Amino acid sequence: GESVGLHLPTLSVQEGDNSIINCAYSNSASDYFIWYKQESGKGPQFIIDIRSNMDKRQGQRVTVLLNKTVKHLSLQIAATQPGDSAVYFCAENLSGGSNYKLTFGKGTLLTVNP
Amino acid sequence: DSGVTQTPKHLITATGQRVTLRCSPRSGDLSVYWYQQSLDQGLQFLIQYYNGEERAKGNILERFSAQQFPDLHSELNLSSLELGDSALYFCASSVQDGGYGYTFGSGTRLTVV
Repeated sequence: GESVGLHLPTLSVQEGDNSIINCAYSNSASDYFIWYKQESGKGPQFIIDIRSNMDKRQGQRVTVLLNKTVKHLSLQIAATQPGDSAVYFCAENLSGGSNYKLTFGKGTLLTVNP
Repeated sequence: DSGVTQTPKHLITATGQRVTLRCSPRSGDLSVYWYQQSLDQGLQFLIQYYNGEERAKGNILERFSAQQFPDLHSELNLSSLELGDSALYFCASSVQDGGYGYTFGSGTRLTVV
């Protein structure tokens, strides 16, 4: 089955609010995690990543938090804008072997209301 | 434009037919990955090539095959197509033989009728 999953399939927020998208993973050996954004008709676009030796990483308006104790990952988007409306995927990677494929969650649809 | 080029963007074909999807990676990237995205299965890893060699296989059907050519472009061949093969097929590339920092193309939407 899926190694990575999402708590909420849809999320609707008001423009200007902060958004939090959650993700659970089951493989405790995964050591690298990525958030992707996919807009309609486009391929997934890299947002931010985090390695397992970190708890938090910040980018421009986005923050990823990693809680290895409960195997939980979250993406926080500050001051959400209509352009943030998309499907967001978390993905995990298990390095150290010969297979570097990413395992994706099923995605969360974020809708930003003006 | 991500730099990863996929053609064609849309493809409609009949059951039982064979199609070829093409991917040109970003300049300088040696690894190519193929993913299938369907509504019920999400993004599923199919296969990875690095500098012309197969590196990893995922849930790829025996009816599907791929290769990476000396100029690093890759083709995904889908044969004996079934209705359930209708999906978006994405190619991604990366510099190294690893899963870090994939760049995805915009995909090929395959419809089998």
